Parts: sequence; structure tokens; C-alpha cells
Amino acid sequence: GQQLNQSPQSMFIQEGEDVSMNCTSSSIFNTWLWYKQDPGEGPVLLIALYKAGELTSNGRLTAQFGITRKDSFLNISASIPSDVGIYFCAGRGGSNYKLTFGKGTLLTVNP
Amino acid sequence: EAGVAQSPRYKIIEKRQSVAFWCNPISGHATLYWYQQILGQGPKLLIQFQNNGVVDDSQLPKDRFSAERLKGVDSTLKIQPAKLEDSAVYLCASSLQDDQPQHFGDGTRLSIL
Repeated sequence: GQQLNQSPQSMFIQEGEDVSMNCTSSSIFNTWLWYKQDPGEGPVLLIALYKAGELTSNGRLTAQFGITRKDSFLNISASIPSDVGIYFCAGRGGSNYKLTFGKGTLLTVNP
Repeated sequence: EAGVAQSPRYKIIEKRQSVAFWCNPISGHATLYWYQQILGQGPKLLIQFQNNGVVDDSQLPKDRFSAERLKGVDSTLKIQPAKLEDSAVYLCASSLQDDQPQHFGDGTRLSIL
């Protein structure tokens, strides 16, 4: 089956710093999604990418769909304490629309 | 717009007991998903419904797990009998159609003693 490798597993940064995390796949994906999950809540969609090479921003967040269609990255600029949480990448490929999730990146922001 | 509603929020049972979870998707969403999220991992799809029909249940442990969406709106997921390894958060998600972004509920946290 499809597998996603998400890195890093965790990050501890100072408020105001920029953050970058990425996902790589063993197979080609047609869609990349980035979600954020806070404790005790479900994942919330941040950015959706549908085309190889696509670069999309949502406020301080920027994500890109890799040209090879096997990777994606998420950048957060000027981090703030409320950015704390677990960030998941998810990809969709093949003949069905099933989503495969990465294991998540735990982000901690020190005020 | 109301989000995906799930209940209960928490459930504690002993192994070999049965448990059921309920999900009410966003109004008008044809596709409904149940995911299992084990601590420290991403959600794993258990079953996907399109209206009241099952699209994908390839990762559902059918000897103990069952799910239904009889009228194409609400859905229930049941585990009988529960095992220790079923301890997880069970997330329900819905989307307008299967190629659209999924919106998640806050999940049910299940603990098996």
C-alpha cells in the first residue's frame, strides 16, 4: 500500500522563527492535504494542493506540491504560540480517493 | 455551518465488551468516513460510505467491527467484542463528494481496560 514519510517527528522552536516540514511518498499522489490537530480535537484542513508544482498560501502558511508528485512541504513563517499542535500531511492517489496520512509533526513554540 | 458531530466524546470499557459510536456529518455531505487514530500516529481509514453504500472497508476488522449508514446521513460504528489494541480515537469525517477535502469531527476517545 501507499506509505508516507513525514519529517521531522517533532520540532521545538522559539516564537517568531520559521518552520518547515515535509512528506515523501513511495508512490505518486494526485492530491496533497495538510491538516493541523490540536489536543482533544479532530484534524482541521489547512491547505489543499491539486497540481504538481502548485504553491499555495494560507496566511503565514505556505505549502507546495512537489514536481515529482511524490512529496510536499509546509512552511510556517513567524511562528506564534497558537501554532502549537500536530501537523499531518495526507495524500491521495491511484484509482480511488482514499487518503493516506503521515505520522505527524509535533510542533512546540516557546514564547 | 455546523461541523461533524460525534458522540460520545469519551468511552471506557473492559475488553470483550461492546461499544458503539455515532456520527452526524455536515449537512449535504454524501461521503462519510470512519478513521482509527492510535496514539502517536495519523488517522487510518476503517470504512468509507457514499450515501448509504460502502465504498471501501478493506481495513475494517470485520470479525469485530461493523458500521452502517442506513439512511445516508448519520452513521454508527460498533466494536464487539473489544480488544486492548482497539484503544484509540475514532474519528468521523465527511466530504461533499469523495474527491473533495474531508472535514473531521472531534472524535471519540476509547479506552479498553
